[in-house]
Amino acid sequence: SYELTQPPSVSVSPGQTASITCSGDKLGNKYACWYHQKPGQSPVVVIYQDNKRPSGIPERFSGSNSGNTATLAISGTRAMDEADYYCQAWDSTTVVFGGGTKLTVL
Amino acid sequence: EVQLLESGGGLVQPGGSLRLSCAASGFTFSSYAMSWVRQAPAKGLEWVSFISGSDGGTYYADSVKGRFTISRDNSKNTLYLQMNSLRAEDTAVYYCAKDAGATAPEYFHHWGQGTLVTVSS
Repeated sequence: SYELTQPPSVSVSPGQTASITCSGDKLGNKYACWYHQKPGQSPVVVIYQDNKRPSGIPERFSGSNSGNTATLAISGTRAMDEADYYCQAWDSTTVVFGGGTKLTVL
Repeated sequence: EVQLLESGGGLVQPGGSLRLSCAASGFTFSSYAMSWVRQAPAKGLEWVSFISGSDGGTYYADSVKGRFTISRDNSKNTLYLQMNSLRAEDTAVYYCAKDAGATAPEYFHHWGQGTLVTVSS
């Protein structure tokens, strides 16, 4: 079965750029998307189709996907960006989520 | 405004059954695929099942195949998940999620608030 691998945690200083990776076999041949989830809340999509931002998502969120790795970048990270981040793709007839990355803004 | 409201969660004994519902509003329900996604306590997201908007095609995660059945009633704008032979590992918050597309999984543009299912004796 298809798997997506994320680092369990990433730390970043306020104002710096946070990068969260998501690895999967030939992931670059699929569309990747990203969600963030704050405690007690439902997930929210922040990037879809590799690099598109839904309306209402700040420009500091960007995405890329090539080879075996998709990357979510958050520039000028703010304390409010602290959350769990999940990548997602779909393979054949299966939707797959990465294990999630806890972003800490120190 | 898109709204997804799940209901039907609760406490059930191992081996029991439960049916979840998701009432949708604010969009043309029949035009969009829908999924159920679950999250065990303090764990990550796990996709459970998908149903297309138009032809009713369905997909399931291996962990629930043969035990869970997804369905929809487009006349009632409602999504369902029939869960049978429940196990302790099915304990989770179950989210209803609206897909961006109609016929194949893409990404989940809208999510409900979730309903908690607890499987325990």
